[in-house]
Amino acid sequence: QKEVEQNSGPLSVPEGAIASLNCTYSDRGSQSFFWYRQYSGKSPELIMFIYSNGDKEDGRFTAQLNKASQYVSLLIRDSQPSDSATYLCAVNMGQLTFGSGTQLTVLP
Amino acid sequence: GAGVSQSPSNKVTEKGKDVELRCDPISGHTALYWYRQSLGQGLEFLIYFQGNSAPDKSGLPSDRFSAERTGGSVSTLTIQRTQQEDSAVYLCASSLAGGSANIQYFGAGTRLSVL
Repeated sequence: QKEVEQNSGPLSVPEGAIASLNCTYSDRGSQSFFWYRQYSGKSPELIMFIYSNGDKEDGRFTAQLNKASQYVSLLIRDSQPSDSATYLCAVNMGQLTFGSGTQLTVLP
Repeated sequence: GAGVSQSPSNKVTEKGKDVELRCDPISGHTALYWYRQSLGQGLEFLIYFQGNSAPDKSGLPSDRFSAERTGGSVSTLTIQRTQQEDSAVYLCASSLAGGSANIQYFGAGTRLSVL
């Protein structure tokens, strides 16, 4: 069965700290990986995507992919209270398969 | 339109009734997806359209669920004889094309409550 696993949290970090969110996936052949942010009661919005091994940085966000370990992570530097949301990892395994999300709270 | 539009935003229905949920994708997007999100859960894939065809219906949970897409644009998800376990947020997404590299953009969802 194709699965994407995330720790549900909640994960709490103080404002200004680095938040680290992790995701593992079961399909070794997966080629594309996405991180979505979902505020409570809202729809998911894409914040990062990566297609190859290594890191990708966009502003305060860095996505890291380790295909050998089937592991993808999202780092949020200088975390802000507005980053408080649920972060969904999604992996393309034929169709986009979502993890159950990690709830992040950034404490002022 | 500027984004993916879904209607209604909220739907309350009685057990056993049929419901129709509508999705209007981003203009020019050929691929359309339906997902279901139960409270506190991730997104559960239901069905994928490429144009008007549905090459992947593998996520539809039962034969009470069906979907169609017409004119390569608007899609309707129909749930017949609704059950309480159908209560969830139904999200629609569209992408420029199908395939693993294409980014999906989501609508605001329809919150379905079956009493």
